[in-house]
Amino acid sequence: GAVVSQHPSRVICKSGTSVKIECRSLDFQATTMFWYRQFPKQSLMLMATSNEGSKATYEQGVEKDKFLINHASLTLSTLTVTSAHPEDSSFYICSAFRGAALNEQFFGPGTRLTVL
Amino acid sequence: AQSVTQLDSQVPVFEEAPVELRCNYSSSVSVYLFWYVQYPNQGLQLLLKYLSGSTLVKGINGFEAEFNKSQTSFHLRKPSVHISDTAEYFCAVSNSDAGKSTFGDGTTLTVKP
Repeated sequence: GAVVSQHPSRVICKSGTSVKIECRSLDFQATTMFWYRQFPKQSLMLMATSNEGSKATYEQGVEKDKFLINHASLTLSTLTVTSAHPEDSSFYICSAFRGAALNEQFFGPGTRLTVL
Repeated sequence: AQSVTQLDSQVPVFEEAPVELRCNYSSSVSVYLFWYVQYPNQGLQLLLKYLSGSTLVKGINGFEAEFNKSQTSFHLRKPSVHISDTAEYFCAVSNSDAGKSTFGDGTTLTVKP
């Protein structure tokens, strides 16, 4: 299957700072990437849909000014958590969508964010 | 709108026993169905998917699932589990070619020796 990487895998930051998480599709071009948030022992919550060359589409209740998403190329999407607070601590997972006949999401390994 | 219900939050089973993880969905249109596995502190890995065609779908690691349209179910089965199958399993449904999916709450499969 296709490979999706995330960087960093783990980050600890102080409250009020911003953190950038990168999601890369390593062996295919993804016009669409998804960003999820997962709390312990819970399911994935879709935060936003990231489309190359256009603004991201955010799910209801997700603050677009707090979670900045940029899809600069067909292989890279970034999520920036601005002015992070302890309640933003979570596991963030991205996926790259391979459409047409395949219709499949390939998931990154996730980023564990801890805000002190 | 679409939704997914995983009927069991936890399934304990002994090694080499068969297992079934249940998933029901609701959608007003045709759906695509997926099962994913997640190991601790990792992303999700696709086990299998139903897009069209045969309702019995075979996936990786010996898993299979059957799409039942009349019962709106997509239960995951394995005839003989291993310790290494211990993980979190998610059922997901999508009703478009754009990839956006709705996930169930997950089922924790624990395989005991």
